[in-house]
Amino acid sequence: GESVGLHLPTLSVQEGDNSIINCAYSNSASDYFIWYKQESGKGPQFIIDIRSNMDKRQGQRVTVLLNKTVKHLSLQIAATQPGDSAVYFCAVVGSQGNLIFGKGTKLSVKP
Amino acid sequence: GAVVSQHPSWVICKSGTSVKIECRSLDFQATTMFWYRQFPKQSLMLMATSNEGSKATYEQGVEKDKFLINHASLTLSTLTVTSAHPEDSSFYICSARTGEDYGYTFGSGTRLTVV
Repeated sequence: GESVGLHLPTLSVQEGDNSIINCAYSNSASDYFIWYKQESGKGPQFIIDIRSNMDKRQGQRVTVLLNKTVKHLSLQIAATQPGDSAVYFCAVVGSQGNLIFGKGTKLSVKP
Repeated sequence: GAVVSQHPSWVICKSGTSVKIECRSLDFQATTMFWYRQFPKQSLMLMATSNEGSKATYEQGVEKDKFLINHASLTLSTLTVTSAHPEDSSFYICSARTGEDYGYTFGSGTRLTVV
């Protein structure tokens, strides 16, 4: 079946540095990808998305890169702030229209 | 933007009792509702998918008689955990989707603790 993996379960960065969180997916037919942020005890919060016809998409302080050749997705957070501390999940849309989540990366920002 | 209101945010119940969790889509119609379960330090795992007016489709390993899902209207879906046991303690999250657009809106989650 389809799967989504994440390369690193935890990431610790200094405030002000850039963060990069990676994700891999298995289904080459996947055409929509989303990054979510989840704070403790809360539901996932949409950060940014990208469709398979794009390689890169930018938001406010965030950039998502998609490499379809190697089925890899990354989230870059510029000038990371303490408020960015959370667990980040990548998700792909499955064949049933549901979201398949990666395992998550816990980002810790040191002041 | 689209909002899904999920209640309760937390609940403690005794073993053997049932608990109902509600998700309401505010100012939009949710044609499809997804229910996820999340254990501590783990990812979200899909439990079931429900479309308004039809029976829910459950993922493998999820007992449909234990986790009752009702999606009777385009703005309300409920998940009832029947005869709850401590191993059902988890974080339950709903997600609403409108039409064919890839717009997914999540509820704030319900922390269920069965004692």
